[in-house]
Amino acid sequence: EAQVTQNPRYLITVTGKKLTVTCSQNMNHEYMSWYRQDPGLGLRQIYYSMNVEVTDKGDVPEGYKVSRKEKRNFPLILESPSPNQTSLYFCASSFPREGGNSPLHFGNGTRLTVT
Amino acid sequence: KNEVEQSPQNLTAQEGEFITINCSYSVGISALHWLQQHPGGGIVSLFMLSSGKKKHGRLIATINIQEKHSSLHITASHPRDSAVYICAVPSGNYGGSQGNLIFGKGTKLSVKP
Repeated sequence: EAQVTQNPRYLITVTGKKLTVTCSQNMNHEYMSWYRQDPGLGLRQIYYSMNVEVTDKGDVPEGYKVSRKEKRNFPLILESPSPNQTSLYFCASSFPREGGNSPLHFGNGTRLTVT
Repeated sequence: KNEVEQSPQNLTAQEGEFITINCSYSVGISALHWLQQHPGGGIVSLFMLSSGKKKHGRLIATINIQEKHSSLHITASHPRDSAVYICAVPSGNYGGSQGNLIFGKGTKLSVKP
């Protein structure tokens, strides 16, 4: 089954303790991206990757790192989480096409709480 | 940088009604996404369109590139259509990077039986 898999679904951690949220897709998509969703602010892009070893900042990259060493995986790393990073996180993937990306496939989301 | 406005923010309808959700953006684009977020939180892509009109079942999406405006229509609405509908566009000008997406704040639709 074609899917984007995020793990974990729920995570509670403490300030400063490094964590990684994994994202994997089995559709051979070149484009992958991370978003956070907060009440009143909607979805905002953190980082995206157009292909292996190619990553770019979105609108809210501060406090996050990503890597794209292989096509299927795009982990999101919080080196020193802070309470303002408490949010609902989504990973998505698609094929980039001339004229815009193909439809996005989203993971199920990761609800992160930083205390 | 593109800015996206969705309207209305909230919408309550009776089952069977025709629904329209609007999305306006400020910078010319090559494609626009419509997404649906279910009450459980999952997000699915409904449409990606760059011109004209697309139809899938009871859902219709249209885009007017000159007016920088898109609409999502739901015909014969049903309680299972209750969800948040979100539009998204690339942040840059036409031909620029398509990877950086800007999202509207969403329209929360509630369809009553």
